[in-house]
Amino acid sequence: DIVMTQSPDSLAVSLGERATINCKSSQSILHSSKSENYLAWYQQKLGQPPKLLIYWASTRAPAVPDRFSGSGSGTDFTLTISSLQAEDVAVYYCQQYYSSPPAFGQGTKLEIK
Amino acid sequence: QVRLVQSGAEVKNPGASVKVSCKASEYTFTTYLIHWVRQAPGQGLEWMGWINPANGHAYYSQKFQGRVTLTSDTSANTSYMQLSSLRSEDTAVYYCARDRGISTADSTTLNWYAPWGQGTLVTVSS
Repeated sequence: DIVMTQSPDSLAVSLGERATINCKSSQSILHSSKSENYLAWYQQKLGQPPKLLIYWASTRAPAVPDRFSGSGSGTDFTLTISSLQAEDVAVYYCQQYYSSPPAFGQGTKLEIK
Repeated sequence: QVRLVQSGAEVKNPGASVKVSCKASEYTFTTYLIHWVRQAPGQGLEWMGWINPANGHAYYSQKFQGRVTLTSDTSANTSYMQLSSLRSEDTAVYYCARDRGISTADSTTLNWYAPWGQGTLVTVSS
């Protein structure tokens, strides 16, 4: 089974500053023939279900602000929020969908400094 | 728009079973897998399994194998998650979520999840 590990577990960033969350998979989730990384990022605000932010490691979901971006390939991935807004306070999860069982990272809690 | 609406909160005694429903609307129900994910209080997301409504085939996390059963009723556009032999550690919010990959009766495709249901709180307590 593929294990997803995020870092850090929690993060405090000032408003307007950059926030960076890392995600590492225990094996490559790059589909060689399709040249796609089978990785998604979700945002979960308090008391709400998760919301899709990014898929294929770097494609923003519809209506997601462009301050959110995803990057990386193979086993190492990053979610970047370029200029933190108050409404971005949430827990962020990465997820691999390369193979069953699908797996989530443990989550990164993002707060305002 | 595409929606998943789940059944209401449940309180169960240890050892009992619970069945949570997830009703889909505004898309062809048999075209996409439905996943079930749970979240214990203050904890992260834990994947439980998926079901392919096109053929009823389900795949379960080893952790829940033997205790969880996923079913679907295509006439009602509804998926169900039944968890048996409940214990206090099963207290959690249970979510259904639609896979975005297109699946058929002959093949399954794993992609990202959107949308998610609103969640169903299951409390196990004597």
